[in-house]
Amino acid sequence: KNEVEQSPQNLTAQEGEFITINCSYSVGISALHWLQQHPGGGIVSLFMLSSGKKKHGRLIATINIQEKHSSLHITASHPRDSAVYICAATEGGADGLTFGKGTHLIIQP
Amino acid sequence: DTAVSQTPKYLVTQMGNDKSIKCEQNLGHDTMYWYKQDSKKFLKIMFSYNNKELIINETVPNRFSPKSPDKAHLNLHINSLELGDSAVYFCASSQYGTSGSFGQFFGPGTRLTVL
Repeated sequence: KNEVEQSPQNLTAQEGEFITINCSYSVGISALHWLQQHPGGGIVSLFMLSSGKKKHGRLIATINIQEKHSSLHITASHPRDSAVYICAATEGGADGLTFGKGTHLIIQP
Repeated sequence: DTAVSQTPKYLVTQMGNDKSIKCEQNLGHDTMYWYKQDSKKFLKIMFSYNNKELIINETVPNRFSPKSPDKAHLNLHINSLELGDSAVYFCASSQYGTSGSFGQFFGPGTRLTVL
């Protein structure tokens, strides 16, 4: 059974700062997901990656398969980035996601 | 067009009742999921279903049962509701396998309150 750990649990930063959220998992996976949950409760998939790096706008996700570690970076952070960011792993096929506990990010103006 | 929809958005009911939550996706995906988010906001898989295989999380009580009338729908039936069933339930869908660039698409959630 996969264990997914995220850090930090809570993060408060000033607008414009570079943000890093870390995720580690315990067993081999087929893909690692980064999700965003806004205060309203909806969940949006940001990235799904199985190797290397992906970029979308100011968001960058990386994964190191050997070290079983992934990071989510936010450049030039903005108050609208305030949300809970959740790392999740899947071992493939029709398996669902195994989630980390989330990182509650607050960006202050 | 809503990709993954759930009804109802809110459900308040008494202990012991039986209730259903409906989920529909119009993405043409062949795999659907139910997740539970507890009061501490922790998400956990309950079921995944891809019209050939039902994968059940062994920690889910058998009072919970998924029903899939077709590939676009996966409903969740809950019998004999208990206080501890109060949570937000999310439906999601994806295309089978994760070798492509497709992630999972989530519904808006159904907040269930058992009194």
